[in-house]
Amino acid sequence: AQSVTQLDSQVPVFEEAPVELRCNYSSSVSVYLFWYVQYPNQGLQLLLKYLSGSTLVKGINGFEAEFNKSQTSFHLRKPSVHISDTAEYFCAVRKETSGSRLTFGEGTQLTVNP
Amino acid sequence: DTAVSQTPKYLVTQMGNDKSIKCEQNLGHDTMYWYKQDSKKFLKIMFSYNNKELIINETVPNRFSPKSPDKAHLNLHINSLELGDSAVYFCASSQDSTGQPQHFGDGTRLSIL
Repeated sequence: AQSVTQLDSQVPVFEEAPVELRCNYSSSVSVYLFWYVQYPNQGLQLLLKYLSGSTLVKGINGFEAEFNKSQTSFHLRKPSVHISDTAEYFCAVRKETSGSRLTFGEGTQLTVNP
Repeated sequence: DTAVSQTPKYLVTQMGNDKSIKCEQNLGHDTMYWYKQDSKKFLKIMFSYNNKELIINETVPNRFSPKSPDKAHLNLHINSLELGDSAVYFCASSQDSTGQPQHFGDGTRLSIL
């Protein structure tokens, strides 16, 4: 079975600063990786996904993530955050097999302060 | 236009009652899901339907029964509600059955008194 660890439960940053939200995964087989964002009182939105190809994946809202197979990581980055980026961010993984279940990490609360 | 809509948004009820949550998607997607998010924000899949057929049924008490009358709707009925059922329940959809949801509803916050 696969698992996901988000290394920071809370990340406070100042507006316009860069941010990195860390995600490590564990799996005995090849996986697909995802980042979702959840704004207060809303459902999740898919930010970006890695399925194959380039290890640097660009998503919505200026976020990007890099898949590092040797370090089993998929960290999310943004060079300059806005107040509106304040939200809960979830890393998720699933096996490449079609129909396999998506496993979520425990989430990282990003708080952007003025 | 709301892509995935679920009702009600809030549900407060007493232990032992039976309640339903409805979900509809207008995206033309083939697959719909129910997820449970607990008080620590941990998300876990409960069920998944593809074209009205059950494809994922996690270890969920049989008090929970999903029903999909057509591929645009996936409702969740819960019998004999217990305190531990308090959570936020999210409906989601995806275009195919590959396994990751693309669009989520805004959630139904269920509180058991």
